[in-house]
Amino acid sequence: RKEVEQDPGPFNVPEGATVAFNCTYSNSASQSFFWYRQDCRKEPKLLMSVYSSGNEDGRFTAQLNRASQYISLLIRDSKLSDSATYLCVVYHSSASKIIFGSGTRLSIRP
Amino acid sequence: DTAVSQTPKYLVTQMGNDKSIKCEQNLGHDTMYWYKQDSKKFLKIMFSYNNKELIINETVPNRFSPKSPDKAHLNLHINSLELGDSAVYFCASSLRRPGQGNTGELFFGEGSRLTVL
Repeated sequence: RKEVEQDPGPFNVPEGATVAFNCTYSNSASQSFFWYRQDCRKEPKLLMSVYSSGNEDGRFTAQLNRASQYISLLIRDSKLSDSATYLCVVYHSSASKIIFGSGTRLSIRP
Repeated sequence: DTAVSQTPKYLVTQMGNDKSIKCEQNLGHDTMYWYKQDSKKFLKIMFSYNNKELIINETVPNRFSPKSPDKAHLNLHINSLELGDSAVYFCASSLRRPGQGNTGELFFGEGSRLTVL
């Protein structure tokens, strides 16, 4: 089983729609969680951290469920510019590693 | 002013050759990384250095040799290139090493796209 798993997609949704995707992680000792965004042929960039109580940044909401070992990202009122690959990232100090999921591709259509 | 810069951005070479990719960060970070992103877009850690000291060395063929002359630079040398080495290699840095107050935020370079023919 991969340490961090994501549905590769693609998710193809119309502009203005709400879209959500999950990511599961295998190590229950994982401590920190993040969503990164990677545009086509570009480098990954931090989108937002994921806090235990859930957090929101504008149209983006991130949730963490430790019991079920998954994190989620919800995008409301999606824009064309949201089209990208969203990478789930997990960090656990015991392994001293920052581990990336393989990404979920999102495509917003006009 | 680019925070993490890698050179070259594109590299096309023949099987069996030796090549190097250089990385520099001007963020004052302690920790630097090399990640490999293959055709399936899976981003996999290869190496990590903290203040010039190797701290992560994943199962990578010993044809790959990282070198960190100082904490702002991390270079990657690859000997006897193989077809399977074709990928995008990303350099990244973080303020501190994992486990020492590292928030997990990585700053990536733009990537070096290596094609082995």
